[in-house]
Amino acid sequence: NAGVTQTPKFRILKIGQSMTLQCTQDMNHNYMYWYRQDPGMGLKLIYYSVGAGITDKGEVPNGYNVSRSTTEDFPLRLELAAPSQTSVYFCASGPGNTIYFGEGSWLTVV
Amino acid sequence: ILNVEQSPQSLHVQEGDSTNFTCSFPSSNFYALHWYRWETAKSPEALFVMTLNGDEKKKGRISATLNTKEGYSYLYIKGSQPEDSATYLCAFRYGNNRLAFGKGNQVVVIP
Repeated sequence: NAGVTQTPKFRILKIGQSMTLQCTQDMNHNYMYWYRQDPGMGLKLIYYSVGAGITDKGEVPNGYNVSRSTTEDFPLRLELAAPSQTSVYFCASGPGNTIYFGEGSWLTVV
Repeated sequence: ILNVEQSPQSLHVQEGDSTNFTCSFPSSNFYALHWYRWETAKSPEALFVMTLNGDEKKKGRISATLNTKEGYSYLYIKGSQPEDSATYLCAFRYGNNRLAFGKGNQVVVIP
C-alpha cells in the first residue's frame, strides 16, 4: 500500500536555489495538504487543495508555490530558498474526515 | 489563527504507570478533533477522530475523551510501555477539512 509518497526524503539546498518537493497519493483523495514542522512548534499548514485545479494558501505560504493538475499529485515549489525554510515538510491527503501523512522530507538550507 | 494548546509539552513516565495529557481548542465552530501518534522519522499515524461531545474512543491501552462545550480533550495511556514513547499530536479540524495542530505531547516511557 503506497498511500502518500513524498520525495526526496533528505535534501540540502544553498540559499537562493529552487527545488520542488514531490507528493503523490494513490487513494483518490480530493483533499491534499502541505505542512511544515519546526522544532518545538506544531505542524503549520503551507498550502492545501480541495481538488484538481484548486489550491489555496494556508497559514505560512510565503516563499512557496503549489499546483494541482491531477488528483494524485501535489508538488510544493520553493523559490529562492532561505534558511528560514529549513524544516521537515509533510504532504498529506484525505477524503474529508481524516488526513493521512507521508513520511516527511527533511530540508536544510545553508 | 486557531489556538490549539497541548500540555504538558513533554513527560517521562515509568513503565507500567498510567498517564494522561490535555488538548484545548476553540469551542466554537467545531467540526472534529483528531489525535495522532508520531514517532521520529515516521509519518504521523491517526489514532482517533472525535466528533461528538462526550465521545470516548479506545485503541488498546490508549483512550481519549472529548468535551466540545468547554473545548478540551484528554488522551490517556494505561500501563505505559516503552513502545508508547512518541509525540502525540492533537489537531482541530476546521473549514475545508484543514487541521490546526498543537505542539504535541512528547512521551518518554522509562523501562
